[in-house]
Amino acid sequence: EAGVAQSPRYKIIEKRQSVAFWCNPISGHATLYWYQQILGQGPKLLIQFQNNGVVDDSQLPKDRFSAERLKGVDSTLKIQPAKLEDSAVYLCASSLAGNTEAFFGQGTRLTVV
Amino acid sequence: EDQVTQSPEALRLQEGESSSLNCSYTVSGLRGLFWYRQDPGKGPEFLFTLYSAGEEKEKERLKATLTKKESFLHITAPKPEDSATYLCAVQEGADGLTFGKGTHLIIQP
Repeated sequence: EAGVAQSPRYKIIEKRQSVAFWCNPISGHATLYWYQQILGQGPKLLIQFQNNGVVDDSQLPKDRFSAERLKGVDSTLKIQPAKLEDSAVYLCASSLAGNTEAFFGQGTRLTVV
Repeated sequence: EDQVTQSPEALRLQEGESSSLNCSYTVSGLRGLFWYRQDPGKGPEFLFTLYSAGEEKEKERLKATLTKKESFLHITAPKPEDSATYLCAVQEGADGLTFGKGTHLIIQP
């Protein structure tokens, strides 16, 4: 069974530029998450989708971050404009439902210079 | 206020030297406590879910236990390939996971 796919693996941008990350969850998984992991920290939830609806985006900096999940499958996370403190690994995860274990992709490492 | 606290932050063991990692949590309605392993440059890999106090789960050299306030990940006779960061996370209801900062484990041959 294929795992969670993310792209790109690495991205370097200048501050104030925009960037987008893509995620393809495990087939059949209704719940999709985006996490931000800063070096030396545990992952922090940014947004949770159930099918194509948002369940929780309370920790998403909505002035610069946006996310969508079209047709309840793939998802994109966008940052515009990026700040230096956005440098982190962005992890996508999916689960069968909101109350089952989540499986993570390899992440996208973003460096903002 | 931290909901999940892991200790120690880092641990260096000799191959075969057993030890335990601790995860203490302060959530009111725990639905589940999760353990993940994370290798450098990779996403977290699911290990265990524990749902109620007294529950235990095992996988190879790892055993996870749960009480009402904390969880332990026991590692028995570890090998160098067990070196990784071990992450603990809690879930309330159907919310997303709240992670601790992890324990960086190094097993020396």
